[in-house]
Amino acid sequence: AQSVTQLDSHVSVSEGTPVLLRCNYSSSYSPSLFWYVQHPNKGLQLLLKYTSAATLVKGINGFEAEFKKSETSFHLTKPSAHMSDAAEYFCVVSDQGFGYNKLIFGAGTRLAVHP
Amino acid sequence: NAGVTQTPKFRVLKTGQSMTLLCAQDMNHEYMYWYRQDPGMGLRLIHYSVGEGTTAKGEVPDGYNVSRLKKQNFLLGLESAAPSQTSVYFCASSKTGRDKAQYFGPGTRLLVL
Repeated sequence: AQSVTQLDSHVSVSEGTPVLLRCNYSSSYSPSLFWYVQHPNKGLQLLLKYTSAATLVKGINGFEAEFKKSETSFHLTKPSAHMSDAAEYFCVVSDQGFGYNKLIFGAGTRLAVHP
Repeated sequence: NAGVTQTPKFRVLKTGQSMTLLCAQDMNHEYMYWYRQDPGMGLRLIHYSVGEGTTAKGEVPDGYNVSRLKKQNFLLGLESAAPSQTSVYFCASSKTGRDKAQYFGPGTRLLVL
């Protein structure tokens, strides 16, 4: 079975400093991986996705993630945090064999950005 | 494109009342989903549909019914609301295939008194 573990429940950074949100996955086959962001009282927005093409994936708003098979990781990074990045971030893996596109969500990482 | 839209945005019900949540997507996606999001529980799949006229149960289907009469719409019904159904409900849609991302609506906040 697929699973994802987000290693930090809370991350706090200063505006203008780099962001690193960590995610490890478990998969018995080549996975499809996603990062979603949820701002307060909003829906989930797709940041980026990995689907077995390039291992470095660029997303919206300056975010990117690198798929590392040897480390079973898919960490999300951004060179310089902005106040508007404060939100909850979910690492997600797609499972198969269910007849539909089943998503397995991580527990989420809440990112706080301080002035 | 509006993407995925949900109505209403917010609703208060009394125990035992019924209501229908409407989800619409304009991306011509085959698959549609209903989730609920509760503090500490994450997102849980209620029901899903792999095409017009077909629906199936997800992880937490009890107390809910769904219908997909048109490809672009997916309705979630609560026949007799209970306080345990107080939650935020999200609809999502996707193309077919496991590597296809799901696109979420803005959510419906439901309070059952």
